[in-house]
Amino acid sequence: GENVEQHPSTLSVQEGDSAVIKCTYSDSASNYFPWYKQELGKGPQLIIDIRSNVGEKKDQRIAVTLNKTAKHFSLHITETQPEDSAVYFCAASNEGRNRDDKIIFGKGTRLHILP
Amino acid sequence: NAGVMQNPRHLVRRRGQEARLRCSPMKGHSHVYWYRQLPEEGLKFMVYLQKENIIDESGMPKERFSAEFPKEGPSILRIQQVVRGDSAAYFCASSPVGGLYNEQFFGPGTRLTVL
Repeated sequence: GENVEQHPSTLSVQEGDSAVIKCTYSDSASNYFPWYKQELGKGPQLIIDIRSNVGEKKDQRIAVTLNKTAKHFSLHITETQPEDSAVYFCAASNEGRNRDDKIIFGKGTRLHILP
Repeated sequence: NAGVMQNPRHLVRRRGQEARLRCSPMKGHSHVYWYRQLPEEGLKFMVYLQKENIIDESGMPKERFSAEFPKEGPSILRIQQVVRGDSAAYFCASSPVGGLYNEQFFGPGTRLTVL
């Protein structure tokens, strides 16, 4: 089955700087890669996703890149702000082939934005 | 359109008691997923249900845990004879009928504490 590794587990970034979180996956059939943000005491919220037919997707200060050959995908946050402090989870799944396919999550990255 | 609702938000049980966690999916969603999150860990898939059907329960312990999603009413995750190791945050997510997407929307979670 799919296995998702996420690094780093903790990341501290000065406000205004960029943050990068990296993930790898094992199942080459995976084609959907969402990223979730979880604030303290809340459930995860989808912030951006990418499908395997594109290599990059951007939404304001957030961008995701996907390298299918290397089975890597990354989240990039630019011009970080205090409200970006949270735990971020990457995930992978194979959508469409079989609705029974699960989304497999990484262990999360705790991002601290330093003032 | 209300989001995914879970109740209770916090639940305290003594060892040996039963815990019942409820999840109401978003309107129009008929797929429900339950996840468990231990402190400092990622989300672990437990069970995937559609109305009146368990599709995949491969992540759920064989004993003491059960889940249902009746034709009417919320999905229920039931833990019998709770032990301290069951203390965790339990999240429910839902996704819409049909389509190819595994985009899941999470509820705020139920934090279970076993004394």
